[in-house]
Amino acid sequence: DADVTQTPRNRITKTGKRIMLECSQTKGHDRMYWYRQDPGLGLRLIYYSFDVKDINKGEISDGYSVSRQAQAKFSLSLESAIPNQTALYFCATSAGTGVPEQYFGPGTRLTVT
Amino acid sequence: GENVEQHPSTLSVQEGDSAVIKCTYSDSASNYFPWYKQELGKGPQLIIDIRSNVGEKKDQRIAVTLNKTAKHFSLHITETQPEDSAVYFCAASSYSSASKIIFGSGTRLSIRP
Repeated sequence: DADVTQTPRNRITKTGKRIMLECSQTKGHDRMYWYRQDPGLGLRLIYYSFDVKDINKGEISDGYSVSRQAQAKFSLSLESAIPNQTALYFCATSAGTGVPEQYFGPGTRLTVT
Repeated sequence: GENVEQHPSTLSVQEGDSAVIKCTYSDSASNYFPWYKQELGKGPQLIIDIRSNVGEKKDQRIAVTLNKTAKHFSLHITETQPEDSAVYFCAASSYSSASKIIFGSGTRLSIRP
């Protein structure tokens, strides 16, 4: 069974719509991350959370928001989707201080038309 | 902030030959260097990592080397097999950056039969 799951796996939406991507983990990790992947650009950090009460912006947070509903759940929202937010989105987790290894979910392919 | 450059962007090698992917980083405070493998339709998977207190690490057919003076690190895959075909990402992080990992742009490795 997957330790990090993401829903939906694929989503097509229209410009201006609000959309939420969800991530759940069973690894018991405190830290969770949202990345965006575009061809030729690698993975870029959108938001990260070190615990339920701690949310931090990454390098490309504009146009996105997040919610950490529980230790195991971290959601990413696009308030008003635009076409250049078409990308692969990945959730990741890590254990905490001194243990930097990150473990990724299978990704969500989002298309904004 | 940290910047990670990765070369080449694509690499094709004959099955059984070796493959080498090279990365450079900019922040001298970086002390953790993971490598991820991403297969089609899946999330990145950690395959090997190295910390700044060692110069080389091996795991079966995979090895990583680190030159802190030059700020270079490399992934070496020997005796390549078809299942090695994937996109590989290098990354860099420092414990002081609170587990934020900066990724290279990726290398698409193809193994020719």
